[in-house]
Amino acid sequence: GQQLNQSPQSMFIQEGEDVSMNCTSSSIFNTWLWYKQDPGEGPVLLIALYKAGELTSNGRLTAQFGITRKDSFLNISASIPSDVGIYFCAGQSPIQGAQKLVFGQGTRLTINP
Amino acid sequence: DTGVSQDPRHKITKRGQNVTFRCDPISEHNRLYWYRQTLGQGPEFLTYFQNEAQLEKSRLLSDRFSAERPKGSFSTLEIQRTEQGDSAMYLCASSLGGTAVEQFFGPGTRLTVL
Repeated sequence: GQQLNQSPQSMFIQEGEDVSMNCTSSSIFNTWLWYKQDPGEGPVLLIALYKAGELTSNGRLTAQFGITRKDSFLNISASIPSDVGIYFCAGQSPIQGAQKLVFGQGTRLTINP
Repeated sequence: DTGVSQDPRHKITKRGQNVTFRCDPISEHNRLYWYRQTLGQGPEFLTYFQNEAQLEKSRLLSDRFSAERPKGSFSTLEIQRTEQGDSAMYLCASSLGGTAVEQFFGPGTRLTVL
């Protein structure tokens, strides 16, 4: 099936550093969403993007919907310990059907204090 | 708390047994989704409901799996004759419906099949 490729797979950073991760696909998506998941919990929605080129912020988080509709990135500024977790991109594809979300494999963020 | 809730949070069962999970969506949401997540992977879509109608099922949903949403509110996911490969986190999500795209997830049910 259709897949989203996230990179990097894992990141080890110092507290206070900025973080950047991205998500790419071989086909277009109508919507991109970014989620964060803590161990043993469900994903929590961070940001939703609705149209190509859109740049959206949520506090220290900024995400963009790529102009080609095949990619998205998420930036976290001035990282803090509670940013630790796994970040997933997800998209809704016009091919796969409007309702299901297709997820990437996640980027694991670890922060050294 | 008005978020999505799931019960139980953890289930350990022996191979061959049947299990049933429950999901209560956010109250005004008319779309409900089930996903499965294995270790180190992102969630994978299983099925979704618009009110009480089951509108799409993934090929991942074998004939041992059945989902219902009888009154358009809570949903159940049943797995019959469980296999070790069914061990995973089962996630439920809901959305408002219409043009809304945001899906809000519950805490999940962790299934371990021995």
